Amino acid sequence: EAGVAQSPRYKIIEKRQSVAFWCNPISGHATLYWYQQILGQGPKLLIQFQNNGVVDDSQLPKDRFSAERLKGVDSTLKIQPAKLEDSAVYLCASSLEFEDEQYFGPGTRLTVT
Amino acid sequence: DQQVKQNSPSLSVQEGRISILNCDYTNSMFDYFLWYKKYPAEGPTFLISISSIKDKNEDGRFTVFLNKSAKHLSLHIVPSQPGDSAVYFCAASAGGTYKYIFGTGTRLKVLA
Repeated sequence: EAGVAQSPRYKIIEKRQSVAFWCNPISGHATLYWYQQILGQGPKLLIQFQNNGVVDDSQLPKDRFSAERLKGVDSTLKIQPAKLEDSAVYLCASSLEFEDEQYFGPGTRLTVT
Repeated sequence: DQQVKQNSPSLSVQEGRISILNCDYTNSMFDYFLWYKKYPAEGPTFLISISSIKDKNEDGRFTVFLNKSAKHLSLHIVPSQPGDSAVYFCAASAGGTYKYIFGTGTRLKVLA
């Protein structure tokens, strides 16, 4: 079974630029999560999708972050414009249903200079 | 406000000995707890979980203990192996939400 795929693996941008991350969950998984992990901290949930609907985006900085999950499969997370404090690893996870085990992708390491 | 705390950033243990990783939480509404393991350049992988109705859960070399009165859980690895060297995160969720709050992680190094 293929795992959660994410791209790119690494991205370096300057502040005020835009960036987008892509996630392909495990086939058949209805629930998809985006987490932000700042160096030295644990992952923090940004947004949770159930199929193509948003379940929880209470911790997503909506003035600059946006996410979508078209057709209930792949998802993209966008930051526009980026700030220095957005430097982090962005992890995508998926689960069969929301109460099931979450499987994480390898993450995208973003550096904002 | 750090609701899940792992106060030891790192731990070194000799191969074959027991590793004990600790986690404290402040939110009494948490009723489901998990441990994840993370290798460099990989995403976290699920290790073991425990519901608040239990005080112990075992899976092979891994055992998680939950002390609800102390709001404390621990992960025991016996015997420790060099391949166990990784960062371990505890996480908690409340009320069947399955929205995980993660601790800051403990880096375990098992010395051969």
